[in-house]
Amino acid sequence: AQSVTQLDSHVSVSEGTPVLLRCNYSSSYSPSLFWYVQHPNKGLQLLLKYTSAATLVKGINGFEAEFKKSETSFHLTKPSAHMSDAAEYFCVVSDPDDYKLSFGAGTTVTVRA
Amino acid sequence: GAVVSQHPSRVICKSGTSVKIECRSLDFQATTMFWYRQFPKQSLMLMATSNEGSKATYEQGVEKDKFLINHASLTLSTLTVTSAHPEDSSFYICSAQQGATSNQPQHFGDGTRLSIL
Repeated sequence: AQSVTQLDSHVSVSEGTPVLLRCNYSSSYSPSLFWYVQHPNKGLQLLLKYTSAATLVKGINGFEAEFKKSETSFHLTKPSAHMSDAAEYFCVVSDPDDYKLSFGAGTTVTVRA
Repeated sequence: GAVVSQHPSRVICKSGTSVKIECRSLDFQATTMFWYRQFPKQSLMLMATSNEGSKATYEQGVEKDKFLINHASLTLSTLTVTSAHPEDSSFYICSAQQGATSNQPQHFGDGTRLSIL
């Protein structure tokens, strides 16, 4: 069985400061991991994905994530937060047998001016 | 690329009405599409997996006669909420997978806000 745990339900940062969203995963396989962002009343937009290539993955809008197998982590970072980054973020793992996604509970990011 | 269009974005209707939601992959063929339900302040809950040309696979606890899924082509899947009641009010989101491996991401529609009066 696969699962993800997002360690923070809410993260608040000031505009221009770094953002860190923490995610730990549990997987019996070599996992495929994703980060998605959801703005209010919208669907999910893919930020980046890890698929066993480079452990440091660069995504859209300046986000990146590092896969650490020894720590079973896939934390998402951005060096400088923008007001438009305020949203809900989901860490997700994919099951290789049936492609089903297991979602973390989500982290709400607020950005202070 | 990889755009998924979901329509309508919002539906308000009376109890007992059936509502159809469409999910289209606009620039790729999607062998598999997924339907999710999302309650306020919660993560997505998978309702069913839809494969083109075959019956959908429903998750435990999801009534297949209540939530009818059709996946007639590689670019279109529909979810029909039959005889909807207020407890069916929710945010429904579809996704489509490009390719047939788990390392391919799912691409999501913008969701449908369903409100049953």
